Amino acid sequence: DAKTTQPNSMESNEEEPVHLPCNHSTISGTDYIHWYRQLPSQGPEYVIHGLTSNVNNRMASLAIAEDRKSSTLILHRATLRDAAVYYCILRDVGTGGFKTIFGAGTRLFVKA
Amino acid sequence: EAQVTQNPRYLITVTGKKLTVTCSQNMNHEYMSWYRQDPGLGLRQIYYSMNVEVTDKGDVPEGYKVSRKEKRNFPLILESPSPNQTSLYFCASSPLGGNREAFFGQGTRLTVV
Repeated sequence: DAKTTQPNSMESNEEEPVHLPCNHSTISGTDYIHWYRQLPSQGPEYVIHGLTSNVNNRMASLAIAEDRKSSTLILHRATLRDAAVYYCILRDVGTGGFKTIFGAGTRLFVKA
Repeated sequence: EAQVTQNPRYLITVTGKKLTVTCSQNMNHEYMSWYRQDPGLGLRQIYYSMNVEVTDKGDVPEGYKVSRKEKRNFPLILESPSPNQTSLYFCASSPLGGNREAFFGQGTRLTVV
């Protein structure tokens, strides 16, 4: 199963953009790249996903490298409420996302 | 409201006393999964199910059982809990397909003494 690698923690100032990197060098052609975040005392929540092209939604943007071996989650203006653990995971379109593997994630600290 | 509901939210039990943590989803999702979360280890998958009566092991299935008799429910069963199963447990559901969003429950904090 393809795995992902993320930095353990990152820090940002409030109102500034944040770029959270993820490496997935063993990604297969049918793996979708998903990002979830976990706020304190809550279950993970969906942020964004993509396959090959960059994606935007109301929460964030996802930039995917041309070779798909890495991706970056972009929070355009970090707020204190964005302080959370962010997980980058791979889900396979052919198999329904079975054995979805989470890494340790990146803990994002946001300074006021 | 679309949601995944776990019960109980908190549970303290003694070693060897069988327990069940329930998980229910109201979105008619085929795929359901259980994870445990321990400090420094992230979320590890215990079992998953791709449809009724179809279940399979994740990365850490030892000591756990599951069943999927109905599409909406996916209970996690600990036949003989041990202290090393003290953890935070999450249930998740999604439609089949890697391009679909997964929904998580609020978690069950289990302590086995």
